[in-house]
Amino acid sequence: DQQVKQNSPSLSVQEGRISILNCDYTNSMFDYFLWYKKYPAEGPTFLISISSIKDKNEDGRFTVFLNKSAKHLSLHIVPSQPGDSAVYFCAAISRAGSEKLVFGKGTKLTVNP
Amino acid sequence: DGGITQSPKYLFRKEGQNVTLSCEQNLNHDAMYWYRQDPGQGLRLIYYSQIVNDFQKGDIAEGYSVSREKKESFPLTVTSAQKNPTAFYLCASSIAGETDTQYFGPGTRLTVL
Repeated sequence: DQQVKQNSPSLSVQEGRISILNCDYTNSMFDYFLWYKKYPAEGPTFLISISSIKDKNEDGRFTVFLNKSAKHLSLHIVPSQPGDSAVYFCAAISRAGSEKLVFGKGTKLTVNP
Repeated sequence: DGGITQSPKYLFRKEGQNVTLSCEQNLNHDAMYWYRQDPGQGLRLIYYSQIVNDFQKGDIAEGYSVSREKKESFPLTVTSAQKNPTAFYLCASSIAGETDTQYFGPGTRLTVL
């Protein structure tokens, strides 16, 4: 049973345009959400996170939006750059209860020059 | 330079052989984790350890074993009982109680022939 779902395995955008990566979750106990970026044959690196008490968090070109009622979050990258091409993993955790991060399957983003 | 190292980057083994993957960190983190990544899949937790001499099974522990004799080291043994051992293995660490902030190593690609 997948608690964190990234339904788009891949996304392709033009350089300079907006990239929107989506993530849905089913566990209402999750209260903290993260996005990781991963290049091939490397470990994931933390990108941005958001607490359930917020609906938006921004860091430079990256913004994460959280819609708790819909159990949905999205990562916006504006403007997209070729170096953003990677696999993006959404992850969630219940800080009060669990010792485990739950990851989605990832979305492969390709930014074309 | 503080970080997590995993060696080797690529590992080949014959079917039926046990193999141990190395993970070392000098971040002074108490908690360490092992994940497995398969193509098109998210990261799945194999084992984790919150403190030296203690560890717990993750979601897919069957066919794996770990030890945590030192704070800096968390080796993973892939045994012959693991039915599909070929995968990309990622080690991570975090400050105790901060599971939501994990730092990942570069990974080891294990191929069983």
